[in-house]
Amino acid sequence: DAKTTQPPSMDCAEGRAANLPCNHSTISGNEYVYWYRQIHSQGPQYIIHGLKNNETNEMASLIITEDRKSSTLILPHATLRDTAVYYCIVSLGVNAGGTSYGKLTFGQGTILTVHP
Amino acid sequence: DAGITQSPRHKVTETGTPVTLRCHQTENHRYMYWYRQDPGHGLRLIHYSYGVKDTDKGEVSDGYSVSRSKTEDFLLTLESATSSQTSVYFCAISETQGVEKLFFGSGTQLSVL
Repeated sequence: DAKTTQPPSMDCAEGRAANLPCNHSTISGNEYVYWYRQIHSQGPQYIIHGLKNNETNEMASLIITEDRKSSTLILPHATLRDTAVYYCIVSLGVNAGGTSYGKLTFGQGTILTVHP
Repeated sequence: DAGITQSPRHKVTETGTPVTLRCHQTENHRYMYWYRQDPGHGLRLIHYSYGVKDTDKGEVSDGYSVSRSKTEDFLLTLESATSSQTSVYFCAISETQGVEKLFFGSGTQLSVL
């Protein structure tokens, strides 16, 4: 699975959009981009995933560049409860030739702090 | 929140004793996973299950065994606990094969003294 690079920390004002970048320059054509977050002392929480097209759900938007070498997670109106570690993960699912289920490599992620 | 319950939430045990952690789901999802989380290592997959009685090893399976006799329960056993197994253990479930959309439990803090 491709490796990802994220800034170690970011700050955001409450109510503003939080834009979290992720570089995955070695991504292969059938690898998905996943975003998870982990609030202190809780289990990781799935946010969103995508392959090529931009995606949006009730939590966030995922913007993937045309060459797929980077992506941005957008929290449109950050709240204090969005303070967490955000993980960008690239994974080759089993159906696409991967060899292991659930083998998500959680790196160090980005610590997002939302300020009042 | 997905219906995942981990028990116990906290456990302190001594080196050499057996320990079993339980993960119970009410979602009827086919796939279940056990991860451990340690500072500096992130989350690492221990074992996973793709159906009743169907399990396989993850990247850090040494010293651990699992069993799944029912869809809803996935047990992780440390046959003889060691201090290196002190960690936070997370159970996760997923419904869809090939898409890694996992739902995690709240975790079990295990301390091996």
